[in-house]
Amino acid sequence: AQSVTQPDIHITVSEGASLELRCNYSYGATPYLFWYVQSPGQGLQLLLKYFSGDTLVQGIKGFEAEFKRSQSSFNLRKPSVHWSDAAEYFCAVGAGPGANNLFFGTGTRLTVIP
Amino acid sequence: EAQVTQNPRYLITVTGKKLTVTCSQNMNHEYMSWYRQDPGLGLRQIYYSMNVEVTDKGDVPEGYKVSRKEKRNFPLILESPSPNQTSLYFCASSFGPAGGRYEQYFGPGTRLTVT
Repeated sequence: AQSVTQPDIHITVSEGASLELRCNYSYGATPYLFWYVQSPGQGLQLLLKYFSGDTLVQGIKGFEAEFKRSQSSFNLRKPSVHWSDAAEYFCAVGAGPGANNLFFGTGTRLTVIP
Repeated sequence: EAQVTQNPRYLITVTGKKLTVTCSQNMNHEYMSWYRQDPGLGLRQIYYSMNVEVTDKGDVPEGYKVSRKEKRNFPLILESPSPNQTSLYFCASSFGPAGGRYEQYFGPGTRLTVT
């Protein structure tokens, strides 16, 4: 069965520091992978997605993620965090017939300190 | 402005009293989904729809109903709400499947409390 694990519930980083959020997935076939961000009191916004091809994908707001099949991972990175990046981040995997199902991880809350 | 709207944004109700949460999108999207978000559980898909009159169960459909009579609307119906359905609900829409290549656009959420 498909599943997504985000091992870090809460991460605190200083503004300007680099960031890496971890995501591991379990899925039998080639996965469709996503990172979403949820700002306080808001809906979700897609940061980036991976379907095939280049394993390093670029997204909005300066984020990138790397797909590593051997490690079943899809970690999100940003070289320099801004205070406005404080939010909750969700990794997700598309699955099921026709990729109609989307399974989310439990999320990682990011706090940015000045 | 392209958007997904949900109503109401906040709702407090009592056990057993039927309620409907509306969802509407103005982007002519074929696909729509409902999710619930609970602390420590992330988001879980309740139902999805591939087009008018075509719906199917997601990961946690028990206790919910949906309908898709018009392309733009996808209401979520709780016929007999229970306290374990207290949650934050999101509607989303896209041109393709939720887990596929097309970006999903999410509504602002509906916070439901069932006492």
